[in-house]
Amino acid sequence: ETGVTQSPTHLIKTRGQQVTLRCSSQSGHNTVSWYQQALGQGPQFIFQYYREEENGRGNFPPRFSGLQFPNYSSELNVNALELDDSALYLCASSLDVRAPNSPLHFGNGTRLTVT
Amino acid sequence: LAKTTQPISMDSYEGQEVNITCSHNNIATNDYITWYQQFPSQGPRFIIQGYKTKVTNEVASLFIPADRKSSTLSLPRVSLSDTAVYYCLVGAYSGGYQKVTFGTGTKLQVIP
Repeated sequence: ETGVTQSPTHLIKTRGQQVTLRCSSQSGHNTVSWYQQALGQGPQFIFQYYREEENGRGNFPPRFSGLQFPNYSSELNVNALELDDSALYLCASSLDVRAPNSPLHFGNGTRLTVT
Repeated sequence: LAKTTQPISMDSYEGQEVNITCSHNNIATNDYITWYQQFPSQGPRFIIQGYKTKVTNEVASLFIPADRKSSTLSLPRVSLSDTAVYYCLVGAYSGGYQKVTFGTGTKLQVIP
């Protein structure tokens, strides 16, 4: 069973730039969600994708966008980067959005630093 | 979304049982309670999930009283490798997606 993998592991960007983070879901999982974790804080829900469509979103501006592909992998795009976007970005997959409370399986994240 | 409250940190000696309590006063009828463990620079890892009463697996037990306004994660005989942040989550599949909220977690330090 292949777990959730994320790339890259670390990234340094300049304020105003754009970034794309990638995630491969665990085999058999069709639902992917993204979280932002600032230092010393718990993960904050960004959005969730199911069947290649965003079907839930947290309190994040539109410059945070995503995609899900037919193989259930996903991308997180952030435009016009701000210093406060520096964080660990976590991807989580789950068995099926329709399966009540199926546990989240997380990758080890991408550490984004914005200078 | 139900808000959760946990102690910020706890210390325990190796070999002891550790109990971490989480308060979730406004838990909804459909909400489940899930606990995750997170090591530095890693993603959270699922530990245990329950709805009511007691759930036990190979690594932990989860106690949920009848009113479900709190829950207690019990780790038997902790070791140094259990040093981590533990998150209590309350959420449910609702409105087409899983709504879950992470709090700030409890930082457990296991002492030799």
